[in-house]
Amino acid sequence: QKEVEQNSGPLSVPEGAIASLNCTYSDRGSQSFFWYRQYSGKSPELIMFIYSNGDKEDGRFTAQLNKASQYVSLLIRDSQPSDSATYLCAVLVGSSGSARQLTFGSGTQLTVLP
Amino acid sequence: GAGVSQSPSNKVTEKGKDVELRCDPISGHTALYWYRQSLGQGLEFLIYFQGNSAPDKSGLPSDRFSAERTGGSVSTLTIQRTQQEDSAVYLCASSLVNQPQHFGDGTRLSIL
Repeated sequence: QKEVEQNSGPLSVPEGAIASLNCTYSDRGSQSFFWYRQYSGKSPELIMFIYSNGDKEDGRFTAQLNKASQYVSLLIRDSQPSDSATYLCAVLVGSSGSARQLTFGSGTQLTVLP
Repeated sequence: GAGVSQSPSNKVTEKGKDVELRCDPISGHTALYWYRQSLGQGLEFLIYFQGNSAPDKSGLPSDRFSAERTGGSVSTLTIQRTQQEDSAVYLCASSLVNQPQHFGDGTRLSIL
């Protein structure tokens, strides 16, 4: 089982709709969770991070974390064509005192249709 | 402020040659990471430096790969005797401890 799993997509939504991106992780001790956006040919760009159970909102983006279910999601409201990109879920793995590393899922490709 | 800087942005070399890739992290960031991303694939962790601690080299794919970080700042990733399967984008990221990572623009490496 991969440590961080995402549906590879592609996921297509119409402009103005809500895009829902999902991610599960295997390390129950993980504490920090990140969503990166990567445009084709570009490097990943951090868009959200969440540490506590529940929702965290930033503009059109909402990150949701459920540690009991080992599940983190990203909602994009009022999707725009400019949101079309690959979205990478990343989880900080490793225990206190040991080296920690960010483990990435393989990404979900999102296309927002005009 | 200045972000993570990587050089060169593109590198084309012949199979069997050695290459050096450079990363200059954000000033003050103690953590530095190297990743590799092949075309259409996710990010593959290579190596992690944190302050003066021994680096986590668990992601290096073979002993042809090595990295160092001098003075707790600039890092160099070296690939010896390059192979065609080494072709990828090599990404460097830096962060404060346990904080989100910020990525450079990467080095696109092509092995002929």
